[in-house]
Amino acid sequence: DTAVSQTPKYLVTQMGNDKSIKCEQNLGHDTMYWYKQDSKKFLKIMFSYNNKELIINETVPNRFSPKSPDKAHLNLHINSLELGDSAVYFCASSPDGNTEAFFGQGTRLTVV
Amino acid sequence: GENVEQHPSTLSVQEGDSAVIKCTYSDSASNYFPWYKQELGKRPQLIIDIRSNVGEKKDQRIAVTLNKTAKHFSLHITETQPEDSAVYFCAASKWTDKLIFGTGTRLQVFP
Repeated sequence: DTAVSQTPKYLVTQMGNDKSIKCEQNLGHDTMYWYKQDSKKFLKIMFSYNNKELIINETVPNRFSPKSPDKAHLNLHINSLELGDSAVYFCASSPDGNTEAFFGQGTRLTVV
Repeated sequence: GENVEQHPSTLSVQEGDSAVIKCTYSDSASNYFPWYKQELGKRPQLIIDIRSNVGEKKDQRIAVTLNKTAKHFSLHITETQPEDSAVYFCAASKWTDKLIFGTGTRLQVFP
């Protein structure tokens, strides 16, 4: 039973397109995150949600928007995709921000 | 905001040797310091963590030390094995704030 699952695992799309990545957690956690891992393997926080409320919005382009229909889901929508958006995107969840974060398997986004 | 620096960026050791990875953090209010291991093509997974009220924690071949005064913490792996080869990330957070990760260390253990 997967704790944090995200779909799709791979996503190849053309510049200018709009795409979404879905994330679900069945751990009952209150906090969910999106991280971006670039080609240098740096893990950078993009967003975090606590009980469906956005509590931290990092300085990411407004083409990226998190959407949380309920506590168990945090989807990432990206408008007008650019080449530089190519990366692996990880969803994660945590009981709060101060304990272990559990990661999804990642979504490798390639913009061509 | 919090900033976490991690060194070295790459580390190569012979099987059986020890490996040490060091991190420094900027926010003195940070109180939770986990270490994650990420194998090639996989997700990051927690291997050990420490809170600010503890100076050292050990789990079999892995140990973490924390120096709050100097604002640095370290991961120690003893008797390294080829399966320890991976990218290791340190992180820091405070209260219900987000986890901020270091830049990662690629550890290679040669047989």
